[in-house]
Amino acid sequence: GEDVEQSLFLSVREGDSSVINCTYTDSSSTYLYWYKQEPGAGLQLLTYIFSNMDMKQDQRLTVLLNKKDKHLSLRIADTQTGDSAIYFCAGVPTSGTYKYIFGTGTRLKVLA
Amino acid sequence: DTEVTQTPKHLVMGMTNKKSLKCEQHMGHRAMYWYKQKAKKPPELMFVYSYEKLSINESVPSRFSPECPNSSLLNLHLHALQPEDSALYLCASSPEGQEADTQYFGPGTRLTVL
Repeated sequence: GEDVEQSLFLSVREGDSSVINCTYTDSSSTYLYWYKQEPGAGLQLLTYIFSNMDMKQDQRLTVLLNKKDKHLSLRIADTQTGDSAIYFCAGVPTSGTYKYIFGTGTRLKVLA
Repeated sequence: DTEVTQTPKHLVMGMTNKKSLKCEQHMGHRAMYWYKQKAKKPPELMFVYSYEKLSINESVPSRFSPECPNSSLLNLHLHALQPEDSALYLCASSPEGQEADTQYFGPGTRLTVL
């Protein structure tokens, strides 16, 4: 089955860029997603990328997709303390099955 | 409006209690989901309703009973739960068409079973 790995923890200083990485074993997902989860809250959809794209930019967020290496990343420019949260990548290996495969989650801590 | 609402926000119940979690969306989405999330872990899928019919049951114990009264509402009925069922319960919904795979999540219900 699909396996999606993320590094557990990332710490950056306020104002720096953050890069959160995701590697996966199955490359059949049509869309790949990034979600943010603050403590005690639900998952907030941040952005997503269609599998035939290499890059998508949305304000401070840049998503890079390297299908050859099965690698997805989320770059947050000018990271703020409000960006501190857990970030999950997710994909749907078979479209229309309703089944997300989530990454293990990366806890981002932003230091003032 | 991409809002999914859930009530209650917090719930504490004993192992003999019966309670229900509620989820609502008014985005016209036709698929709705229940997830269970333990601390520091990704959400685990429990149930999916598509067009108000149960589409997926991920071998969830019968003490959890989902219900979809209409296309906007999703309930999760709880009975005789165990302490290990304590978790954050998340509801999600997704639209039709090209973005049918894109799920929008509610804020969750924090459940504690004593």
